[in-house]
Amino acid sequence: DTGVSQNPRHKITKRGQNVTFRCDPISEHNRLYWYRQTLGQGPEFLTYFQNEAQLEKSRLLSDRFSAERPKGSFSTLEIQRTEQGDSAMYLCASSLGGTANEKLFFGSGTQLSVL
Amino acid sequence: AQKVTQAQTEISVVEKEDVTLDCVYETRDTTYYLFWYKQPPSGELVFLIRRNSFDEQNEISGRYSWNFQKSTSSFNFTITASQVVDSAVYFCALSDGSSNTGKLIFGQGTTLQVKP
Repeated sequence: DTGVSQNPRHKITKRGQNVTFRCDPISEHNRLYWYRQTLGQGPEFLTYFQNEAQLEKSRLLSDRFSAERPKGSFSTLEIQRTEQGDSAMYLCASSLGGTANEKLFFGSGTQLSVL
Repeated sequence: AQKVTQAQTEISVVEKEDVTLDCVYETRDTTYYLFWYKQPPSGELVFLIRRNSFDEQNEISGRYSWNFQKSTSSFNFTITASQVVDSAVYFCALSDGSSNTGKLIFGQGTTLQVKP
């Protein structure tokens, strides 16, 4: 068990391009979360999955964002037609969930820079 | 609405000094959970502690201790005899006790720099 893995670590793209990030959670964890963190701020919740079902999406997640978790294993987060405001660290976390006090295990994040 | 405030943006101490990181929260829930996470330069947040709203006992884990006071809506974190390896960004977070998820509301974070 090597923890939560995120790829790529860094992504630089031009405005208007599409980008996709991948998260591999800890294998036995049924819940997977995406958060976004901008410079000098705490992480903000974007969405979460329980197994393959996406159960909640934040209003921060515009129509340009889509997340999937096929087969309840890894997850992808796609941003279409990127904007400069999308520049941020995208963090993935997983947990063996079911309660409000579940401990989250975070990956090191994908740093997105939109030029 | 739920909110977490960490008023200290940056703190700098010399090794072996004690340091307290403040956290104030707002919630209308009667059941909720509070957390502290550490974010080292590598980026991944590391869980430190969780507390439920019904347990106001202070907790000590090695050089770390936490003081939870519902009367002042605070959940402060103290590092005793700080070390250079404690340098990181520390986040306080709040979860909704009714949602049964790991959806957290994070504070802005406090950057701690421990100088040798």
